[in-house]
Amino acid sequence: QKEVEQNSGPLSVPEGAIASLNCTYSDRGSQSFFWYRQYSGKSPELIMSIYSNGDKEDGRFTAQLNKASQYVSLLIRDSQPSDSATYLCAVRVGTYKYIFGTGTRLKVLA
Amino acid sequence: DARVTQTPRHKVTEMGQEVTMRCQPILGHNTVFWYRQTMMQGLELLAYFRNRAPLDDSGMPKDRFSAEMPDATLATLKIQPSEPRDSAVYFCASLGGTYNEQFFGPGTRLTVL
Repeated sequence: QKEVEQNSGPLSVPEGAIASLNCTYSDRGSQSFFWYRQYSGKSPELIMSIYSNGDKEDGRFTAQLNKASQYVSLLIRDSQPSDSATYLCAVRVGTYKYIFGTGTRLKVLA
Repeated sequence: DARVTQTPRHKVTEMGQEVTMRCQPILGHNTVFWYRQTMMQGLELLAYFRNRAPLDDSGMPKDRFSAEMPDATLATLKIQPSEPRDSAVYFCASLGGTYNEQFFGPGTRLTVL
């Protein structure tokens, strides 16, 4: 079983819709959770961090964490074509140990 | 603004040649990671340093790869000899912020012919 799992996609949503990206992890001791956006040919860019159960909102982005069920999700409201990218989930499982998922490719259709 | 820098951005070399990639972490960030990304494998951790000391390099092929951090502003990743299977994008990331977040450099795209 992979330590951090994401559906590879592509996830296609119409412009203006809510995009929902999901990530599950296997280590119950995981401490912090991160979402990165990566455009084709570019480096991963941090967009959200979450540490406590519940929701954390930042602009059009909402991260949701459920430690009991071992999943973290990212919601993108009012999706725009510029949101089309690969979204990487990362989990901190030790002081300096971070595990990345393989990413979900999102396509927002104009 | 503060960001991680990497050089070179692109490198094309022939099999057997030595390749050196450089990374300048964000000033004040004491922990530096090296990753390799390919379409097939995704993002793989190669090594990481804390206060210039290597903490874990188990992800690196030891016979040909070496990583060092000669000072707080420079981390290097060297491949000698390079092989076609080393072709990938190599990212450096430094750790900082309130919540121990990784910030990535722009990457070095390596092609070994």
